[in-house]
Amino acid sequence: DQQVKQNSPSLSVQEGRISILNCDYTNSMFDYFLWYKKYPAEGPTFLISISSIKDKNEDGRFTVFLNKSAKHLSLHIVPSQPGDSAVYFCAASAGDDKIIFGKGTRLHILP
Amino acid sequence: GAVVSQHPSWVICKSGTSVKIECRSLDFQATTMFWYRQFPKQSLMLMATSNEGSKATYEQGVEKDKFLINHASLTLSTLTVTSAHPEDSSFYICSARGFGSMNTEAFFGQGTRLTVV
Repeated sequence: DQQVKQNSPSLSVQEGRISILNCDYTNSMFDYFLWYKKYPAEGPTFLISISSIKDKNEDGRFTVFLNKSAKHLSLHIVPSQPGDSAVYFCAASAGDDKIIFGKGTRLHILP
Repeated sequence: GAVVSQHPSWVICKSGTSVKIECRSLDFQATTMFWYRQFPKQSLMLMATSNEGSKATYEQGVEKDKFLINHASLTLSTLTVTSAHPEDSSFYICSARGFGSMNTEAFFGQGTRLTVV
């Protein structure tokens, strides 16, 4: 049973435009959500997180939105840059329990 | 962000031998460390969670006698792949969370590419 779902395996966005990556979860006990960026043969790099008591968290070009009623979160990157091309993982945890990852979305930024 | 160092970054071993992978938190004390495995073009699969000074908790389907995890100190966890076989070839990644780790991010090591020949 997949508790964290990223239904789009890949996404292509023009440079300078907004990239929106989506994530759904099923476990209502999750109270902390994270986004990681990963390049091949490297460990994931933490990008941004959000607690379940908030519905938005912004850090520079990255904004994460959380819709608890829909069990949905999204990562917005604006403006998109060539260096943003990577695989993005959505992740969630309940308290200090293990972090569960989605399958990832490969983002391609087009010139 | 905090630094997690994983060593070695790649290793090739013969079938039947054992391989040890180290994961160190360099600038914080990690009460909890996680070990993941990633197959090509697939997500990160959590193998086990280890808390300092106690036995690791393995995910369903992960053989605890094959993947030995030791978390002897607050800055070091090791994963030993025992009697490795070619199907164990994969990318293994550790991550660590610090004290008061509720609602905090986990920091990841660089990963270890294991090839069993």
